[in-house]
Amino acid sequence: QSALTQPPSASGSPGQSVTISCTGTSIDVGRYNYVSWYQQHPGKAPKLMIYEVSKRPSGVPDRFSGSKSGNTASLTVSGLQAEDEADYYCSSYVDTNNWVFGGGTKLTVL
Amino acid sequence: EVQLVESGGGLVQPGGSLRLSCAASGFSFSSYSMNWVRQAPGKGLEWVSYIRSSSSTIGYADSVKGRFTISRDNAKTSLFLQMNSLRAEDTAVYYCAGDNRYAFDIWGQGTMVTVSS
Repeated sequence: QSALTQPPSASGSPGQSVTISCTGTSIDVGRYNYVSWYQQHPGKAPKLMIYEVSKRPSGVPDRFSGSKSGNTASLTVSGLQAEDEADYYCSSYVDTNNWVFGGGTKLTVL
Repeated sequence: EVQLVESGGGLVQPGGSLRLSCAASGFSFSSYSMNWVRQAPGKGLEWVSYIRSSSSTIGYADSVKGRFTISRDNAKTSLFLQMNSLRAEDTAVYYCAGDNRYAFDIWGQGTMVTVSS
């Protein structure tokens, strides 16, 4: 159950777009379309932003989008806003009722 | 209002035990698969354990297998995590989380577990 690989940090100016990658293997990200993304502000619980690679829960702005190619999933935040500054985590279903998270990416809005 | 409220965290010595609880309200708990996810201080999220809605299927991370036991009481809309043989590396905030379509869409506020002598 090795963690998925995310860049430790990412940044962008207000209004710009930023993409965060999440690299797994053929037994997790590459095998299942069950990649999800979470936003976590300091001292708060995580919040689901994307599920099943590219679907947005109700209430999540369409500035957030997800995609996947092979063993790598990506989260793109368009039209960056100050409130988007947070930690972002990806997650993938592995199998036999196991999940794995990425190490997290700290997004800074410059 | 959809809500998960964890309790039972605290300070425990290495080798000790602790039982976490998670009270659910505002959604159909008995239809939801549930999980425990933890976060060590300053670190990332780590999935810990899973239990299907009917308790028929359970899963554990390798790091806790054989030491932690997950259970639920649908009549009392509650989730539990019995933690035995605790180690310093188990120190973390423990979140209960409901999963739907293989994603964790409901989270509690977390309860802190500190393992230290």
